[in-house]
Amino acid sequence: DAGITQSPRHKVTETGTPVTLRCHQTENHRYMYWYRQDPGHGLRLIHYSYGVKDTDKGEVSDGYSVSRSKTEDFLLTLESATSSQTSVYFCAISEKDRGLSNEKLFFGSGTQLSVL
Amino acid sequence: DQQVKQNSPSLSVQEGRISILNCDYTNSMFDYFLWYKKYPAEGPTFLISISSIKDKNEDGRFTVFLNKSAKHLSLHIVPSQPGDSAVYFCAASGNNAGNMLTFGGGTRLMVKP
Repeated sequence: DAGITQSPRHKVTETGTPVTLRCHQTENHRYMYWYRQDPGHGLRLIHYSYGVKDTDKGEVSDGYSVSRSKTEDFLLTLESATSSQTSVYFCAISEKDRGLSNEKLFFGSGTQLSVL
Repeated sequence: DQQVKQNSPSLSVQEGRISILNCDYTNSMFDYFLWYKKYPAEGPTFLISISSIKDKNEDGRFTVFLNKSAKHLSLHIVPSQPGDSAVYFCAASGNNAGNMLTFGGGTRLMVKP
């Protein structure tokens, strides 16, 4: 267990409402990632962070923002949720935390988000 | 355009036989490849990886083969067990800041007793 906790585990919300998902790690790692999983698309990177207040966009960042005010917490916010954001969201941290290739990622258990 | 593709959405295998899961990639900058296994309602868990300087890596019942010229990798599971039934994701990374992994769409493996 890589010490990653995601909350909530399940969330149902309405279109247009703001939603924040939380990822908490106990490993003191710099690198943290948010992915979404959708059928046929595998996992796609939304945003990642390489330190407190240091974040960058991933492949599918439109409609999402992130914040990293503490090393242990990485928040993903949907400012105005849409039905296309119904998905399973996974947080991850990097194995050796050097931000290089040849490192594996460890994932949390996920948050199932439904936007009605 | 998907840089990592798993063309078989599902695979059914009899217990004890070999399971072969395939993955193709297009980006020649990828130099590290991984397989993840995912059970329902859980996060993906790392299974096995291979560096581009190798063409084979083995770990118990799991072996990953890499064919760089064909930009193709495969995961062999021998012998397959019912507990191997899960979704398997191929992933790749390479030479990018932040070690971002690019994933394939996944293959659902069903191992029948």
